[in-house]
Amino acid sequence: RKEVEQDPGPFNVPEGATVAFNCTYSNSASQSFFWYRQDCRKEPKLLMSVYSSGNEDGRFTAQLNRASQYISLLIRDSKLSDSATYLCVVLTTNAGKSTFGDGTTLTVKP
Amino acid sequence: DGGITQSPKYLFRKEGQNVTLSCEQNLNHDAMYWYRQDPGQGLRLIYYSQIVNDFQKGDIAEGYSVSREKKESFPLTVTSAQKNPTAFYLCASSLHTDSGNTIYFGEGSWLTVV
Repeated sequence: RKEVEQDPGPFNVPEGATVAFNCTYSNSASQSFFWYRQDCRKEPKLLMSVYSSGNEDGRFTAQLNRASQYISLLIRDSKLSDSATYLCVVLTTNAGKSTFGDGTTLTVKP
Repeated sequence: DGGITQSPKYLFRKEGQNVTLSCEQNLNHDAMYWYRQDPGQGLRLIYYSQIVNDFQKGDIAEGYSVSREKKESFPLTVTSAQKNPTAFYLCASSLHTDSGNTIYFGEGSWLTVV
């Protein structure tokens, strides 16, 4: 089993739709969680950190469920520019490294 | 501007040759990382370094080597022992490897074996 697992998609949605991605992790000692966005043939860029209480940044909402060991990303009112691959990242401090999921691909269509 | 600079952006290598990818950061970050990404795949950790003169193997270190002689520099050598080196290589850094530290990436280097 992979340390971090994501549904690869692709998710194809119309503009204005709401879409949600989940990411599960296996190490219960994991301490920090992030969502990154990666455009085709580009480097990943931080989208948002994920806090225990859940957090929102405009149309994006991230949530953490430690009991079930998953994080989620909700995108409301999808835009064409949201088309990208979304990577979840889990940091386990005692391992000294972050583990990336393989990513979920989103395509928003007119 | 502060950031991570990788070079070259595109590199072609003949089979059997060693090549070195450069990574420099001016963010004063302690931790640096090298990842490999194959088409349609996720990121796999090659090596990481938490401090100068120290580094650890990641998940796919075979066929690669690194050094960390300076805080700002973490070059990656792809040796002839790496049998399938064609990939997108990403260098990254973070303030530390501790909880909550965001990882920042360079723009990546595309390596093709010809």
